[in-house]
Amino acid sequence: QKEVEQNSGPLSVPEGAIASLNCTYSDRGSQSFFWYRQYSGKSPELIMFIYSNGDKEDGRFTAQLNKASQYVSLLIRDSQPSDSATYLCADWNSGNTPLVFGKGTRLSVIA
Amino acid sequence: EPEVTQTPSHQVTQMGQEVILRCVPISNHLYFYWYRQILGQKVEFLVSFYNNEISEKSEIFDDQFSVERPDGSNFTLKIRSTKLEDSAMYFCASSAEIYEQYFGPGTRLTVT
Repeated sequence: QKEVEQNSGPLSVPEGAIASLNCTYSDRGSQSFFWYRQYSGKSPELIMFIYSNGDKEDGRFTAQLNKASQYVSLLIRDSQPSDSATYLCADWNSGNTPLVFGKGTRLSVIA
Repeated sequence: EPEVTQTPSHQVTQMGQEVILRCVPISNHLYFYWYRQILGQKVEFLVSFYNNEISEKSEIFDDQFSVERPDGSNFTLKIRSTKLEDSAMYFCASSAEIYEQYFGPGTRLTVT
């Protein structure tokens, strides 16, 4: 049974700082991961997808994957109060297999 | 920008009643999913659907649950006899050929 672990937080950072969100996963064979953002009472919103070891950048977001350590992270540069949300890490195999979500880390960006 | 839509946004029902949650996936998407999220807990997979049949289902998706694509646009989740523990947000998601699953806004189901 796949498991994805995230620190539930809250993680508090000041506006303009870098927020670092982390996720570990249990299945050594896992290949790909998604980061979703979920505002309170809303649905998950896709932020990034990563499948290769190393970094992937998209605007203010950088996803990092280390398969040897079974570790995925998301960095948010120049954090804004509007980034305050719960960030969900999800493990995905391929095709139409389901996403396996972590419980999410709540981020609070303080103005 | 195309999006997944879901109706109703909130459904209140009594224990033992049947409910049908409706979803309209993004029009060119081929793969459809239902997930649920109990308040304060993680998003959990229920079922995936492709080519008019179930591809995969979780242990949560027991005989009380069913899915259907009654026409070219709708995708429904039926719960035959609701229990208190079925109270949750239910999310429909769809994806195109490859991987990005886009979520609808959800239906909040409250079973009393």
